[in-house]
Amino acid sequence: ETGVTQTPRHLVMGMTNKKSLKCEQHLGHNAMYWYKQSAKKPLELMFVYNFKEQTENNSVPSRFSPECPNSSHLFLHLHTLQPEDSALYLCASSQDRRSSPYNEQFFGPGTRLTVL
Amino acid sequence: EDKVVQSPLSLVVHEGDTVTLNCSYEVTNFRSLLWYKQEKKAPTFLFMLTSSGIEKKSGRLSSILDKKELFSILNITATQTGDSAVYLCAVPDSGGYQKVTFGIGTKLQVIP
Repeated sequence: ETGVTQTPRHLVMGMTNKKSLKCEQHLGHNAMYWYKQSAKKPLELMFVYNFKEQTENNSVPSRFSPECPNSSHLFLHLHTLQPEDSALYLCASSQDRRSSPYNEQFFGPGTRLTVL
Repeated sequence: EDKVVQSPLSLVVHEGDTVTLNCSYEVTNFRSLLWYKQEKKAPTFLFMLTSSGIEKKSGRLSSILDKKELFSILNITATQTGDSAVYLCAVPDSGGYQKVTFGIGTKLQVIP
């Protein structure tokens, strides 16, 4: 398998549920990202990890909790979400910031999340 | 705060037409500008531009950067229905290059 994969592709959850999104990259990268894409809004960066360490948290509510156990895997744990959290959640990976002066990010197919 | 503005927001053209998509930006310490194509879900990388006035080309797509006027254009010639997508412009921040500001995108629809 190549590139960046995400599971599940679609998720419907209630506001009291707890669920997790998974991302895996097979590109040998050391940086991974979570983005949120809502209708009629630009892609919004949520979290950045370099070598498993979180280096960016873009003022994301605590109901979103990321986890990066190794450089190839990234999770986004969800609990007590709101309907306005419904969006496409995209994972991306790139070379880490120390080894590459430029930042070409490779994206996964996304998880379409609907919160009821 | 970094800002990326794309225009037009949407565009409908016929196959064979040539289109120009615009991206203007306001960032501190500019280093590069990226173009992505988003069909259905995952954005796919098209171009990275770092130098002013140098055209990047890939088949029918080309892009150029003007660092003085702070904009870039993406040209698509002889459009095909497969070019229908949202085209995203993005600018990484100058610090760690990882905080990327995206534009809202231009939705292009190519009709037969």
